[in-house]
Amino acid sequence: ETTLTQSPAFMSATPGDIVNISCRASQDIEDAMNWYQQKPGEAPLFIIEEATTLVPGITPRFSGSGYGTDFTLTIHDIESEDAAYYFCLQHDNFPYTFGQGTKLEIK
Amino acid sequence: QVTLRESGPALVKPTQTLTLTCTLSGFSLNTREMSVSWIRQSPGKALEWLALIDWEDDKFYSTSLRTRVTISTDSSKNRVVLTMTNMNPADTATYYCARSVVKGPFDFWGLGTLVTVSS
Repeated sequence: ETTLTQSPAFMSATPGDIVNISCRASQDIEDAMNWYQQKPGEAPLFIIEEATTLVPGITPRFSGSGYGTDFTLTIHDIESEDAAYYFCLQHDNFPYTFGQGTKLEIK
Repeated sequence: QVTLRESGPALVKPTQTLTLTCTLSGFSLNTREMSVSWIRQSPGKALEWLALIDWEDDKFYSTSLRTRVTISTDSSKNRVVLTMTNMNPADTATYYCARSVVKGPFDFWGLGTLVTVSS
């Protein structure tokens, strides 16, 4: 089973900041890393697939990087609407596994 | 428009069997390369993938829960059912269903349904 270690668990940012969220896999998963945004009362929103590909319709302020075991979600020019819970998912092997999540607060 | 909607009891008693239904719209498991998974999130914990069923009726299960969980579809393949036996308070969670294509990442999710296990 691939363990995903996501950090930080919580972060606070100011509008205009650049934010980085990390997800580290316990074994090589190539580019099978994905990122989601979730707001209270809403379904999770798919934002980055295959480590670096922006899902159609998602603002390009979001970007993903990494390969193998180390991955990063970057949010540029933070806006108040980016306040949410973010989590990573690997689909390289069963069982699919998730990171512990990051709660992003906007000051 | 692709949507998934979870339904089922909000409260179950310890030792009971939970049955949840995911109703699909905008696609079905009659469509090649489609899969549906069940996922849960217990309070304060990471999301946990439970099971997946694909268009060929192949099924995959969480290693830790495979003795308690069954995933299936109805004859129309527009509903995906999760049953979980011997429920206990640690199973209290929001249960989601989600779609994936060719067993890839989940591109669409339902809103989730909260299940509380308590006597």
